[in-house]
Amino acid sequence: GAGVSQSPRYKVAKRGQDVALRCDPISGHVSLFWYQQALGQGPEFLTYFQNEAQLDKSGLPSDRFFAERPEGSVSTLKIQRTQQEDSAVYLCASSLVGQPSLFFGPGTRLTVL
Amino acid sequence: AQSVTQLDSQVPVFEEAPVELRCNYSSSVSVYLFWYVQYPNQGLQLLLKYLSGSTLVESINGFEAEFNKSQTSFHLRKPSVHISDTAEYFCAVRETNTGFQKLVFGTGTRLLVSP
Repeated sequence: GAGVSQSPRYKVAKRGQDVALRCDPISGHVSLFWYQQALGQGPEFLTYFQNEAQLDKSGLPSDRFFAERPEGSVSTLKIQRTQQEDSAVYLCASSLVGQPSLFFGPGTRLTVL
Repeated sequence: AQSVTQLDSQVPVFEEAPVELRCNYSSSVSVYLFWYVQYPNQGLQLLLKYLSGSTLVESINGFEAEFNKSQTSFHLRKPSVHISDTAEYFCAVRETNTGFQKLVFGTGTRLLVSP
């Protein structure tokens, strides 16, 4: 597609539920990033993929967060046993390898009740 | 590790007035610098970037930013703002080292343009 797409755009979960957030990067973009943006804050890095390899997951806040990109294209961010503090906008971005600029998707707004 | 400081959380300004959004960064190595804009309920859009060369960079909609290495700053300016410039603006930095380098964002500045 023309840009990075994410689905769903909005997700409401009850505390304790598992959620899965999907990211479709720009075609041909090898690098894929996940960021978390809490209300009124800047985006915070979660994890990075180069093709299917997860090269950095230092930003994942707990072991309840898991990301995968099995075929080097679409990526899924999974959050198990959601908590209220997980409420945020989850942004996906992609880029060509070695390209400094990231292209962001519209984000998924997760609300945990 | 690198960091970004945006001291102004909100900047109110009247239409057609000039504006400056401040950004300072900290890094022990050379960096790339970016400004992203986020309109309500939308994702981040790249506004402009400094990679190398001329320290003054411009966007297509009249914004400009100047990289000042001695002051470790990358302030964003526009000589005359429009109502449509109302948005959240994020400054970001990325180290130029080879290999994976994450993009680190500031906390953002909300630009509020009123008639």
